[in-house]
Amino acid sequence: NAGVTQTPKFQVLKTGQSMTLQCAQDMNHNSMYWYRQDPGMGLRLIYYSASEGTTDKGEVPNGYNVSRLNKREFSLRLESAAPSQTSVYFCASSEAGGGSGEKLFFGSGTQLSVL
Amino acid sequence: GNSVTQMEGPVTLSEEAFLTINCTYTATGYPSLFWYVQYPGEGLQLLLKATKADDKGSNKGFEATYRKETTSFHLEKGSVQVSDSAVYFCAHFSGSARQLTFGSGTQLTVLP
Repeated sequence: NAGVTQTPKFQVLKTGQSMTLQCAQDMNHNSMYWYRQDPGMGLRLIYYSASEGTTDKGEVPNGYNVSRLNKREFSLRLESAAPSQTSVYFCASSEAGGGSGEKLFFGSGTQLSVL
Repeated sequence: GNSVTQMEGPVTLSEEAFLTINCTYTATGYPSLFWYVQYPGEGLQLLLKATKADDKGSNKGFEATYRKETTSFHLEKGSVQVSDSAVYFCAHFSGSARQLTFGSGTQLTVLP
């Protein structure tokens, strides 16, 4: 089983360039998430989608947009990349987005550098 | 607000040593608590969880007990192995915020 698949694995951008990070899950999960991981700060939630057709801001949404394309796919877009967005990005999914907190399944991450 | 504070690393141990990684949290209500593990080059994986006070989560020889009185969820293992080398994240799920909040992670290196 593929689980959660992210592309690309690595990306280097120049300041001001745009790009989209792709994420797909094959577990029929309702909820999907985008996190960024920075040294000493753990994971911080950028955006999440509790179900198909809905998206909500997380802790650090500025500079990002998301699209829940269908139940399987949840993309993250940087419209005008900045050096502060250099980070490792993780996509995750879970069966549902409420209750007592479900197990999250993570992709293997995208290492993004903005020069 | 909601937050998770965990022991700063890095932590370096010899094989078969006892491991404790401290984790405390602040939250409204009674959140579910988790430990996730990240092996090199991989995404996070759920290691164990506890959903109410005094619950003990356990997996792969790791244990953590939900202590409401001290708002803690410390991770322990009696005898670590080289294969346990990874970054460990404590997290809680807040029903009010409807999202996981992660600690900053603790890097563990186990030497043979």
